[in-house]
Amino acid sequence: DAKTTQPNSMESNEEEPVHLPCNHSTISGTDYIHWYRQLPSQGPEYVIHGLTSNVNNRMASLAIAEDRKSSTLILHRATLRDAAVYYCILFKNTGNQFYFGTGTSLTVIP
Amino acid sequence: EAGVAQSPRYKIIEKRQSVAFWCNPISGHATLYWYQQILGQGPKLLIQFQNNGVVDDSQLPKDRFSAERLKGVDSTLKIQPAKLEDSAVYLCASSSLRGAYEQYFGPGTRLTVT
Repeated sequence: DAKTTQPNSMESNEEEPVHLPCNHSTISGTDYIHWYRQLPSQGPEYVIHGLTSNVNNRMASLAIAEDRKSSTLILHRATLRDAAVYYCILFKNTGNQFYFGTGTSLTVIP
Repeated sequence: EAGVAQSPRYKIIEKRQSVAFWCNPISGHATLYWYQQILGQGPKLLIQFQNNGVVDDSQLPKDRFSAERLKGVDSTLKIQPAKLEDSAVYLCASSSLRGAYEQYFGPGTRLTVT
């Protein structure tokens, strides 16, 4: 399974935008890019996913590089509730397992 | 819509003892997953069910771990006998379809083996 590389940790000031990078240089044409986050003492929750085009939803935006070898999760205005570990995952919709990696721990500073 | 339920939330046992975890997925979800999350790591898939059949159990330590999903709804994960390295959070997740992009996770069961 293709793997992803993320920074171990990042910090952001409250109410400022946050850009969380992810490298996936071995991505294949059928891999979807997924983002999940895990708040302290909770199970992971779905954030967003995409294939080739940039995507927006109520939680975040996903910017995908033209060659698809990297992507960026964008939180437009960080809040204290956004402090979590963010996982970038490649997933084939044929049912292969998710590989979570270690993710990026986001700290939001008041 | 009720979420994924898991019990117990916490369990402490001694090594070589047995333990079982229970999961009730979201109603109507055909696919159910069990993950193991060791402190400081991301979740690792142990087993995936589609209805009551096993789709993937390649990372399940079958000498001590077992899981079943009777009638394609609730599921139990058992460890017998437990080892110290089994200390982790055990997460259950469900999705409406195999390969569906959104998995819904329960709160997990934190297991401590002493």
